[in-house]
Order: sequence, then structure tokens, then C-alpha cells
Amino acid sequence: GIQVEQSPPDLILQEGANSTLRCNFSDSVNNLQWFHQNPWGQLINLFYIPSGTKQNGRLSATTVATERYSLLYISSSQTTDSGVYFCALIGSNYKLTFGKGTLLTVNP
Amino acid sequence: DSGVTQTPKHLITATGQRVTLRCSPRSGDLSVYWYQQSLDQGLQFLIQYYNGEERAKGNILERFSAQQFPDLHSELNLSSLELGDSALYFCASSAGPRRTDTQYFGPGTRLTVL
Repeated sequence: GIQVEQSPPDLILQEGANSTLRCNFSDSVNNLQWFHQNPWGQLINLFYIPSGTKQNGRLSATTVATERYSLLYISSSQTTDSGVYFCALIGSNYKLTFGKGTLLTVNP
Repeated sequence: DSGVTQTPKHLITATGQRVTLRCSPRSGDLSVYWYQQSLDQGLQFLIQYYNGEERAKGNILERFSAQQFPDLHSELNLSSLELGDSALYFCASSAGPRRTDTQYFGPGTRLTVL
């Protein structure tokens, strides 16, 4: 099946800093989603982005499918951005495969 | 709020028991998916149903079974529970069966097996 690698595994920021999270994958994708899992365990949809660039407030994402990577940008980070960020994608089968996630901690 | 509902939120039971987790998809969505999140395995796809029919299967144990009912809600049945089944179980839904459909996740059911 498709392999998904996320980096960095852990990231600690001060409030107001910017960050870039990366997701590398091993095959062509039909579906790529970014999620935020908050400290209560809830998985929140951030972006559906199998290709191109999207922006939503302080967050933006870019997927370069031909080079098999996606980036999630967080600007002016806030303590409420803390949690785990997952990249998940579907390749040639029907299974949404998740990466191991990036644990983000934003300190006040 | 994604619009996907799951009950119960928490479940504590003993080894060897059987439990049923319930999921209601977003209004209008025909596909339902089940995922398991554990500390050692991460987030794993278990099974997908589309309009009542099984569509795709992942790493679902034989002790686990699921179904989707005519009103489109779904149930995941876990039997002969083991300590290692303790995990967060998510349900997701999407409009259709396509790989390109966005999946929206419910709040999860946290299962603890003692």
C-alpha cells in the first residue's frame, strides 16, 4: 500500500511563530486530507487537497502531486493550534492511510 | 462539528465481552467508514460501507463486524474483547463511494477493555 511519512514528528513553538509541516508519500494520490487532532481527541478536517494550494485563515496547504509531497503552513500560531496534525491519503485502493502525525505544542 | 455523530463517547468493559458502537453519518452522506486509533498502530482503516453494502475492507479483525442499515446509520460490533482492543474508534462519512470524496470524522468512541 501507499506509504506516508510526516515530518517533523514533534515541534515546539512560541505563540506567534510560523511553522511548516511536511507529508511525503510514495504513490500517486486520489485523495489527500489534512486533519488536526485536538487534545480532546477530535479529528478536525483542515483541507482536502490532492493537488494545488488552498488557504483558510492562518492555515494554508500546498500539494505537489508530481513530486509526491504536501505542506501545511501555520502562521502566527496560537496555543489553540496545539495538537497532532495528520496527513491522510488514498492511492490506488479505497483505504485512507494516515501518517504518524506531527505533535505541535504552542507555548504562550 | 462535522455532523457525524457517534455513541457512546466512552465505554469501559471487561475482556471477553461484546460491545456495539453506533454511528450516524452527516445528512445526505451515503458512505460510512470505521477507523481504529491505538497507541501502537496509529490510525487504521477498518471498513467502508456505501448505501448498505460493504465497499472496502482494511485491517479489521474477524472478531469485529459492521453493518450499515437502511436509514444509513452504521454499527461496529466488537466481540471476545481483548486488552489490545482498547482504542479510540472513529466513524467517518462521505457523500459517495469515490476515492476522491472528502471524509468527515465523528468525535470517536473511546473503548477501554479491563
